Amino acid sequence: AQSVAQPEDQVNVAEGNPLTVKCTYSVSGNPYLFWYVQYPNRGLQFLLKYITGDNLVKGSYGFEAEFNKSQTSFHLKKPSALVSDSALYFCAVRSPLNRDDKIIFGKGTRLHILP
Amino acid sequence: GAVVSQHPSRVICKSGTSVKIECRSLDFQATTMFWYRQFPKQSLMLMATSNEGSKATYEQGVEKDKFLINHASLTLSTLTVTSAHPEDSSFYICSARKGQRNTEAFFGQGTRLTVV
Repeated sequence: AQSVAQPEDQVNVAEGNPLTVKCTYSVSGNPYLFWYVQYPNRGLQFLLKYITGDNLVKGSYGFEAEFNKSQTSFHLKKPSALVSDSALYFCAVRSPLNRDDKIIFGKGTRLHILP
Repeated sequence: GAVVSQHPSRVICKSGTSVKIECRSLDFQATTMFWYRQFPKQSLMLMATSNEGSKATYEQGVEKDKFLINHASLTLSTLTVTSAHPEDSSFYICSARKGQRNTEAFFGQGTRLTVV
């Protein structure tokens, strides 16, 4: 069975500092991995994805994520946090080996950027 | 990116009535759409997968007679909450995928349903 873990419910970072939001996964085969961001009372916005190729993936709003197969991780990072980055972040995974189309989401990590 | 529009964004209804939520892909054809439910401070719970022209596939524990899903065209899927009860109050979100399974899904804005 596939699963995603986001071990931190909340992450606090001072504005201008680097940020990391952690994600680990469990899936059969090589995973498709995604990061989404959600602002209050809104749907999810796509940030970036890893399908294959370079382990470091760059996405929207200056975010990037690194796929680490040995650690089964896909942590989201940004070199310098902005107050406007404060939101709820979801990591998600899909296995290409599964016949169903399900994308599994982590429970989310609330990011607070302190001015 | 691609745009998915969900309507209405907020709805309040009385117990026992039905509510329809629409999900439209505005600039692409979506062969597959997904419906999620999100409880406060929790992750997204997949309710069902909707394929154009066929019956939706419901997740375990989701009542198909209560949550009717129709995917009549490549750009429109609807979720109807029938005989709504206060416990159905929640945030409902749809998403649509453009192409192959390695592509990302795009999400609607969500619908806040309150049943009184």
